[in-house]
Amino acid sequence: GEDVEQSLFLSVREGDSSVINCTYTDSSSTYLYWYKQEPGAGLQLLTYIFSNMDMKQDQRLTVLLNKKDKHLSLRIADTQTGDSAIYFCAEEGAGTALIFGKGTTLSVSS
Amino acid sequence: DGGITQSPKYLFRKEGQNVTLSCEQNLNHDAMYWYRQDPGQGLRLIYYSQIVNDFQKGDIAEGYSVSREKKESFPLTVTSAQKNPTAFYLCASSIISGDYGYTFGSGTRLTVV
Repeated sequence: GEDVEQSLFLSVREGDSSVINCTYTDSSSTYLYWYKQEPGAGLQLLTYIFSNMDMKQDQRLTVLLNKKDKHLSLRIADTQTGDSAIYFCAEEGAGTALIFGKGTTLSVSS
Repeated sequence: DGGITQSPKYLFRKEGQNVTLSCEQNLNHDAMYWYRQDPGQGLRLIYYSQIVNDFQKGDIAEGYSVSREKKESFPLTVTSAQKNPTAFYLCASSIISGDYGYTFGSGTRLTVV
């Protein structure tokens, strides 16, 4: 069945790069997404990548897509304490519904 | 400004009572969704709707009901049949073609006592 897997926790120091990894199952997803959730809030779309791209860069964010291995990663350069949050990757499911991973909690220490 | 509004932010109900969570959007999005979030479980899809007067069950629809009488509104009713209703409920909306990244509401935390 469809499933999106992520590691649950990542801890980094301020100024370091963070890399959050995700594996997905549906190779027919046209787009793959990264969302950010701060405590007690809804999710905010961070970025997305079209499935025929290998990489997308958006300021401090770099998304890498390996379609062969169904692996997606999000790199945050120069990680700040304000980047502490839960990060979710998502693939397309039935209709327009998205399937989310369980989320990776990023903790940034100063 | 366009957005998606969930109300109330916190809701307390006694066991055995039905409760309805509100979700309204003014983004002119065709599709709307309800997800449930539990600690360590990520987001699980309850129901979604791509057009007025039509909706589909998600992975955990049992014990929930929805309606979509207007494009802007997609209320979720948590019925007494839902065995473990205490959770954080998130509503979202999107377009239905292209990169349909969701816009999320700020969530409703439901506690059943």
